[in-house]
Amino acid sequence: AQSVTQPDIHITVSEGASLELRCNYSYGATPYLFWYVQSPGQGLQLLLKYFSGDTLVQGIKGFEAEFKRSQSSFNLRKPSVHWSDAAEYFCSRGAAGNKLTFGGGTRVLVKP
Amino acid sequence: DTAVSQTPKYLVTQMGNDKSIKCEQNLGHDTMYWYKQDSKKFLKIMFSYNNKELIINETVPNRFSPKSPDKAHLNLHINSLELGDSAVYFCASSLGQGLSYEQYFGPGTRLTVT
Repeated sequence: AQSVTQPDIHITVSEGASLELRCNYSYGATPYLFWYVQSPGQGLQLLLKYFSGDTLVQGIKGFEAEFKRSQSSFNLRKPSVHWSDAAEYFCSRGAAGNKLTFGGGTRVLVKP
Repeated sequence: DTAVSQTPKYLVTQMGNDKSIKCEQNLGHDTMYWYKQDSKKFLKIMFSYNNKELIINETVPNRFSPKSPDKAHLNLHINSLELGDSAVYFCASSLGQGLSYEQYFGPGTRLTVT
């Protein structure tokens, strides 16, 4: 079965510093990959997605992600975090029927 | 205007009761979903409907029954509630079933079973 792994449960970063969140997916055909953000008490919001083509994808809120097939990874990055980036981040993989399989999430804490 | 809304936002009930959670979307989407997020933040799809037709039905106990009276609504009815049903339930919708269609999530309903 397809699976998504986010190795980091928590990450603490200082405001203004760079951020990288890791995501690994299980082997399969061309994956459909997504990153979602969940702010406290809110639903999930799509940050970006990768289907094919350029392996570096740009998303909203200054986020980008890079697809690396050789490493089965789809890591999310942001050059300079803002306090408002404190949230839970979910990597997910899509399958037929628009069925999303989510990783366990990474909670990002931002220090002033 | 709220795109995907859920009611209630919080639901506290006792074991054995029957409860419903309602979801409505005003985006004109054809496909709607229910997800369950447990206490460890693990998020898993339960059901999806497309044009009122059940498309995805994961291994969910029969006590959970989704109902879609029309394309804009997907309600979740839970019979004989158990402690393990305590979770946050998210409704989502998308324009279609294809993976290119972004899913829009509601704010969630936190269900607590005592």
